[in-house]
Amino acid sequence: EAGVAQSPRYKIIEKRQSVAFWCNPISGHATLYWYQQILGQGPKLLIQFQNNGVVDDSQLPKDRFSAERLKGVDSTLKIQPAKLEDSAVYLCASSLEDRDSGNTIYFGEGSWLTVV
Amino acid sequence: GENVEQHPSTLSVQEGDSAVIKCTYSDSASNYFPWYKQELGKGPQLIIDIRSNVGEKKDQRIAVTLNKTAKHFSLHITETQPEDSAVYFCAASNALFGGYQKVTFGIGTKLQVIP
Repeated sequence: EAGVAQSPRYKIIEKRQSVAFWCNPISGHATLYWYQQILGQGPKLLIQFQNNGVVDDSQLPKDRFSAERLKGVDSTLKIQPAKLEDSAVYLCASSLEDRDSGNTIYFGEGSWLTVV
Repeated sequence: GENVEQHPSTLSVQEGDSAVIKCTYSDSASNYFPWYKQELGKGPQLIIDIRSNVGEKKDQRIAVTLNKTAKHFSLHITETQPEDSAVYFCAASNALFGGYQKVTFGIGTKLQVIP
């Protein structure tokens, strides 16, 4: 079974520039998550989709971050304009939300962003 | 909302010794508690989980215990090996079947196993 795919793995941009990250979840997983992980901290949820609807974006800085999940499969997270404090790893994850398999969240390898 | 506290933040053990990481949570509605291992440059990977109707679960050298009354849960790694060196995260989830789950992560514990 293929895992959660993310790209690009690494990105360096200047502040005020824009960047976009792409995620392809595990096939059949209804729920998709974007987490921000700052060095030395735990993952912080930015946005959570169930199919193509947003169920939680309470911690998404909406003035600069946006995300979409078209057709309930792939997702894109965009930052525009970027700030220095956006330097972090952006983790995409997915889960099946199936009663039998539980709610295990599977993470991708992450997209490392450095804003200079 | 849920608040998960994890300690210690760093832990060094000799190879072969045991390691224990502890977490507390605040929301009594949380009912699913996964543990993740994150190696450098990789995403977190689930290593074990426990549900609120179970007090203990074991998988080879790894075990997790849950005390719902005290709202704390712990990860135990026995006979540690150098490859156990990584950052470990606990999490608490209010798993709403038919709805959606809210997962909150701890800050992480950096485990170093010294050969």
